[in-house]
Amino acid sequence: QVHLVQSESEVKEPGASVRLSCKASGYTSSNYFFHWVRQAPGLGLEWLGIVDPTGDITKFAQKFQGRVSVTTDTSTTTVSMDLDSLTSEDTAVYYCAGERPHTLYFESWGQGTLVTVSS
Amino acid sequence: QSALTQPASVSGSPGQSITISCSGTTRDVGSSDHVFWYQHHPDKAPKLMIFDVYRRPSGISIRFSGSKSGNTASLTISGLQPEDEADYYCTSYTSNFMYVFGSGTKLTVL
Repeated sequence: QVHLVQSESEVKEPGASVRLSCKASGYTSSNYFFHWVRQAPGLGLEWLGIVDPTGDITKFAQKFQGRVSVTTDTSTTTVSMDLDSLTSEDTAVYYCAGERPHTLYFESWGQGTLVTVSS
Repeated sequence: QSALTQPASVSGSPGQSITISCSGTTRDVGSSDHVFWYQHHPDKAPKLMIFDVYRRPSGISIRFSGSKSGNTASLTISGLQPEDEADYYCTSYTSNFMYVFGSGTKLTVL
């Protein structure tokens, strides 16, 4: 079972950027995909996008395109997502979730990172 | 892409069965063999309960079952137990290779 550990909570001002990290352990396939999912207070889950472990393959929901970027560090099996131009609507718990190749489902989840956007 | 439509809440007594619906469109649920259900307890990470419409991951109780008809998927939980009380989300892989979640359903075990 793949284990995902996410970075600590963040507090950001409107207009700032945030970097969220997700470190994976316990998998042997180099083709493990990572998804980002968030949950704003009182709302449901929302899929942001997917990234492969090399960072070469990414796909993000249209509403995030243009203000999201990803980096990967294969030596530490860490995937990071930068979200720019934050607004109060970006306040949420952000989860990274792992997908084994071609299964299309999220079998492993990180513990979540709370991002609070407030002035 | 709009969220899939789920009832905001459902409830049942221990031992009873409940069904949660998940309505989408021909661009997602209606055209996808990849519909999933996740259980989400507060302050915990979501947990996969059903994949590919009706398949159960290893370790998931047979009390959980999934189905689909047209643009609507369903999750049925039989023999309700107190620990089943949680939020449940459907999600579908879409025709443009993305994912859309349902609005979420709060299950209360009376």
